[in-house]
Amino acid sequence: QQKVQQSPESLSVPEGGMASLNCTSSDRNFQYFWWYRQHSGEGPKALMSIFSDGDKKEGRFTAHLNKASLHVSLHIRDSQPSDSALYFCAASERSNYAQGLTFGLGTRVSVFP
Amino acid sequence: GPKVLQIPSHQIIDMGQMVTLNCDPVSNHLYFYWYKQILGQQMEFLVNFYNGKVMEKSKLFKDQFSVERPDGSYFTLKIQPTALEDSAVYFCASSSGLGGREQYFGPGTRLTVL
Repeated sequence: QQKVQQSPESLSVPEGGMASLNCTSSDRNFQYFWWYRQHSGEGPKALMSIFSDGDKKEGRFTAHLNKASLHVSLHIRDSQPSDSALYFCAASERSNYAQGLTFGLGTRVSVFP
Repeated sequence: GPKVLQIPSHQIIDMGQMVTLNCDPVSNHLYFYWYKQILGQQMEFLVNFYNGKVMEKSKLFKDQFSVERPDGSYFTLKIQPTALEDSAVYFCASSSGLGGREQYFGPGTRLTVL
């Protein structure tokens, strides 16, 4: 079983609409959660991190973490065509050295005019 | 923003040959990583590297794999000998610190083993 599971696999959103992505971890050792975005032909780029319970907002992006259920979500407000990309949830354990990230399979977001 | 470069972007080699993938990390970063992504599958951590040493490696980091960063030059992943199952996109990443610091990823090297 994958340690980081994402849903849905794909999502179509009208321009200006809201996109909601979900991520659930099965490993209670994970303390750090990241959302990464990858455009075609590029490497993943970090959108935001969330380490504490509750909401974290950065511009049009809002992440929510519930540590009890190990559920993380990402909401994209006022979606733009440039938001069309593959979105990854990634997690790592709290540690005293830089750890490798565990990624989900990703959610492909398509924003249509 | 900070950029990680990877050379080459594509590499095609015959099974059993050696291949070296090169990564130019962000200039002031100290921690370096390799990830492997097979088409349609999740990106998986291979290894991380700090101060000239492997800090952590996954079960995917086979004995045929090695990493180094001689004299602060490229951070490299060497596979010798290659196998068909090594065909994948390999991503290099770097970060400035521990735990929750952002990892910056390169664009990847697509390796095809024939």
